[in-house]
Parts: sequence; structure tokens; C-alpha cells
Amino acid sequence: NAGVTQTPKFRILKIGQSMTLQCTQDMNHNYMYWYRQDPGMGLKLIYYSVGAGITDKGEVPNGYNVSRSTTEDFPLRLELAAPSQTSVYFCASSWDRGRANEKLFFGSGTQLSVL
Amino acid sequence: GNSVTQMEGPVTLSEEAFLTINCTYTATGYPSLFWYVQYPGEGLQLLLKATKADDKGSNKGFEATYRKETTSFHLEKGSVQVSDSAVYFCALVTGNQFYFGTGTSLTVIP
Repeated sequence: NAGVTQTPKFRILKIGQSMTLQCTQDMNHNYMYWYRQDPGMGLKLIYYSVGAGITDKGEVPNGYNVSRSTTEDFPLRLELAAPSQTSVYFCASSWDRGRANEKLFFGSGTQLSVL
Repeated sequence: GNSVTQMEGPVTLSEEAFLTINCTYTATGYPSLFWYVQYPGEGLQLLLKATKADDKGSNKGFEATYRKETTSFHLEKGSVQVSDSAVYFCALVTGNQFYFGTGTSLTVIP
């Protein structure tokens, strides 16, 4: 059982380059999320989706874009990479959201460096 | 606002030592509380949870009690093993959002 799969695991970008972080889940979850984790900080929510075709901003959305064309996939796009986007990125999914949520299922993370 | 504060790491313990990782929270409403664990090279996974005051969550020998009076959810284990080496995240959910602490790295040496 794959769960939540993220690719790539590591990536180095130059300032101004663009890239897409891929995330796919095979649990038929409606809710999907992108978080970033900076050193010494907790996870911060970038974007989330409540179902195919529906996305919304989280706490730190600037510099990112997302799309949700299918239930399974939730890619995160960086258009003009900046050093401030150096971080570890986690994709997650869940059955429900808020207090009804049992738990989040996480991918293994993408370590991104922008130089 | 809502937030989670957990003790700074890293923490290094000898095998069979007692573990406590402190976690306190600030939240509006009535949050549910969680501990997630991240083993090397893997994503975060749920370790235990508690949904109301005085609930005790437990799993794999770890325990944490939801203390509303002290707004705390400290993680404990009586005897740690090398396989417990990981990063531990305290988290809460309230409204429609999860809030995570900064994570505490634990290394257990034989």
C-alpha cells in the first residue's frame, strides 16, 4: 500500500527557476495539503484542497501555486524560486478535516534548496 | 491565536531511560491533540491522540494525557529503545486546521 507518494526527494534549484513537486495518494482521500517545514519551525500550511477542482490558500501561499484535477494528485508549483523557499515540503491527505479528522497521512518529504 | 510549543531538542538518552517531551498549547475552542512521529527517511505518522480533556492517548508504550488546566500534552515513555530514535511533533486541530510544534529530535543510544 503506497499511501502518499512525493517526488522528488531532493532538489537543488537556482534562483528564478521553476519546478513542480509531485504528490499522489491512493487512499481516495478528499482532502490534501501541502506543508513546509523550516529549521526550528513547525509545519506551515501552504495550500490545501477539499476535492478535485477545489483549492484554497493556507498560511504561507505566496510564491506557490497548486491544482487538483484528480482526487489522487495534488502538485505544488514554484514559478520563480527564491532562497526563502529553501525548506522541506510535505504533502498530506486525510478523510475529513477539522475536529472530525482522525489523522493526516504524510508523504516522506521533499528537501528543496534554492541557491 | 492557536499554537503549539514543544521542548527544544535534540534529546539524547540511553536505552531503557525514561522519556518526557513537553508540549503546551494555546487554542480557541476545544482542540484535539496529537503526537506525530517521523522516523528517518519517512513521512510523519500518527503516534497517539486525545480528543477531550483528561483523555489519555497511548501507543507503542508512549502515553500522553490531555490536561486542559495546564494546556499541556506531554509525551512519556517508561523505557526507550534504539528504535524510538525519531523526530516527535506535537499538534492540535481546531476549527479546520492543524497546528504543529517545531519537532523534538530524539536519539537513543545502546
